[in-house]
Order: sequence, then structure tokens, then C-alpha cells
Amino acid sequence: RKEVEQDPGPFNVPEGATVAFNCTYSNSASQSFFWYRQDCRKEPKLLMSVYSSGNEDGRFTAQLNRASQYISLLIRDSKLSDSATYLCVVNVNNYGQNFVFGPGTRLSVLP
Amino acid sequence: ETGVTQSPTHLIKTRGQQVTLRCSSQSGHNTVSWYQQALGQGPQFIFQYYREEENGRGNFPPRFSGLQFPNYSSELNVNALELDDSALYLCASSLARDGNEKLFFGSGTQLSVL
Repeated sequence: RKEVEQDPGPFNVPEGATVAFNCTYSNSASQSFFWYRQDCRKEPKLLMSVYSSGNEDGRFTAQLNRASQYISLLIRDSKLSDSATYLCVVNVNNYGQNFVFGPGTRLSVLP
Repeated sequence: ETGVTQSPTHLIKTRGQQVTLRCSSQSGHNTVSWYQQALGQGPQFIFQYYREEENGRGNFPPRFSGLQFPNYSSELNVNALELDDSALYLCASSLARDGNEKLFFGSGTQLSVL
């Protein structure tokens, strides 16, 4: 089993739709969690950290369920500019290798 | 902009050659991590440098090696290039070596091995 798994995608949604991405991780000792966004042929950029209590940043809501080892990202009222690949990232707290990236889920928001 | 710069942006090499990729970390950051991202996949951890020493390594062969300099800039060297080494190589800088820091990526070096 891979350390971090995500919905395979791609997700094609109309503007204004609500879309949810799911991510699971295998290491129960994982410490911190993030969502990164990556535009085509560009570097990943931090979208938001994910906290146990859940957190929201505008149209974006992240949830963490430690018992189920599951992370989610919800995007409301999606915009064309949200089209990108969304990477789930987990800190597995191994010496040196702090961050493990999932394979990413590609989102295309259509006009 | 993250302040992390990588060079070159693109590189074409042939199988068996050697390559050196460079990364300047964000000001104030003492940790540099290198990742390989193949097309359609997430970044895979190669290794990390903290204060000029290797601080951990992913599942990559010894022909992948690196350095970190006193100014915290870093190099990734790959010997005996193989076709499967074709990928986007990403450098990320951060402030600490625990898991709570955030990664700031450079724009990457696209390596093509022919």
C-alpha cells in the first residue's frame, strides 16, 4: 500500500460547482498534513495546512480524521482558476524525509 | 515568488552522461530537499540537506548525490543517466528539519534523457 493515496481523477466540473478531494495515509504516526496546488509544469505551492479541528480558507475547507487516516479538501463555488492538480502531503516524521506527497488529483473547471 | 531559484530550467542529456542541478534556497532557510517528479505523479523525495550534511534519503540509487554549501545553496548530481531519470527535479527550502515547517519550491529543472 502506498503511503499517501488520492482520488485518481481527473475531475471535470462546471464553474460554480462544489468538488471534494479525498486522501488517505498509511502511517498512523503522521504528524502534520497539507494540501498543495500544482499548476501544469509549475512547482507545487502550499494551499493550506490541515488541522485536526478542520479549517477553512475562503472557498476551501480541509478536514482531517486521524482515526480513519483520512484527509479531505472541499472547494465551493469553483472558479476557472482553480483548475490545477491538488497534492495531498503528509509529514510521516521519518528522519530526514519529512514530507510524502500523494500522486495528486487533477481538477478541470469548465466554463 | 518563493525566493528559491533553480538552474537550469531545462536540460537535455543522453544516456550515460552526468548532470548537475543547482538550487539557491530562500533567505534564512537552512534546509534543502530535492524531489523527482515524473509526469503524472507526485514528487518523490530524493534527499535532504541540513547545515551541509545529508539528513535523510529516499529510495534512490547512489548515483544520485548532493551537496549543500555554507550559504545553504545546494547541488544535485546524477551520474550514468538513464532514460527513466527524465523528470522535473524540484528543490524545496525550509527553515527547520522537523516536520512542522512549510516547503517552498523552486520552479524546477526539467531534465530530458535521450
